[in-house]
Amino acid sequence: GESVGLHLPTLSVQEGDNSIINCAYSNSASDYFIWYKQESGKGPQFIIDIRSNMDKRQGQRVTVLLNKTVKHLSLQIAATQPGDSAVYFCAESGGSYIPTFGRGTSLIVHP
Amino acid sequence: GAVVSQHPSRVICKSGTSVKIECRSLDFQATTMFWYRQFPKKSLMLMATSNEGSKATYEQGVEKDKFLINHASLTLSTLTVTSAHPEDSSFYICSARRTGNNYGYTFGSGTRLTVV
Repeated sequence: GESVGLHLPTLSVQEGDNSIINCAYSNSASDYFIWYKQESGKGPQFIIDIRSNMDKRQGQRVTVLLNKTVKHLSLQIAATQPGDSAVYFCAESGGSYIPTFGRGTSLIVHP
Repeated sequence: GAVVSQHPSRVICKSGTSVKIECRSLDFQATTMFWYRQFPKKSLMLMATSNEGSKATYEQGVEKDKFLINHASLTLSTLTVTSAHPEDSSFYICSARRTGNNYGYTFGSGTRLTVV
């Protein structure tokens, strides 16, 4: 399940399950959103992006949903694998084209 | 394509010394690069925006005299942590935005700085 507190929120899933990671963004003027995966000791790796004129975008095993009304973004990972274990960040950018990162969620996939 | 090389990946330095971190876009030109700082189990915090040929723009609370940024070419930005102290120990990450593409950001692999 998901836990939120002083530490990074954590989502634990079993291998093969679908994962849903949520993100609330703050700036209603943001028009571009990106999901990144960060493994320990490495830089963020691009997963998928979406612009504000869309509400859904699909990639390979990943889907991003955007709800501008409530300023909510989600990342769905299908058939989660142990290699998906990492910290996932959403980022938003607006007119300044500077990505601002959200809090992050730690995904733990159990074999 | 779109590879960003960050060097060094790890560095240990003594208090009071300065450390330079390099961020290079290997196969594209980047008019703008960004420097982030990340504490353990925390998100990336933007420190400054580096623009080729001009002064960097620093975020509120970031000391520009302590974190010197130079972006002398379209493929290289450097961050120098001057007179480093243990509290400067952190993970520093750069990102490069492809010239002409406001939505194309690529991140480096990060630099773990430890000040002893």
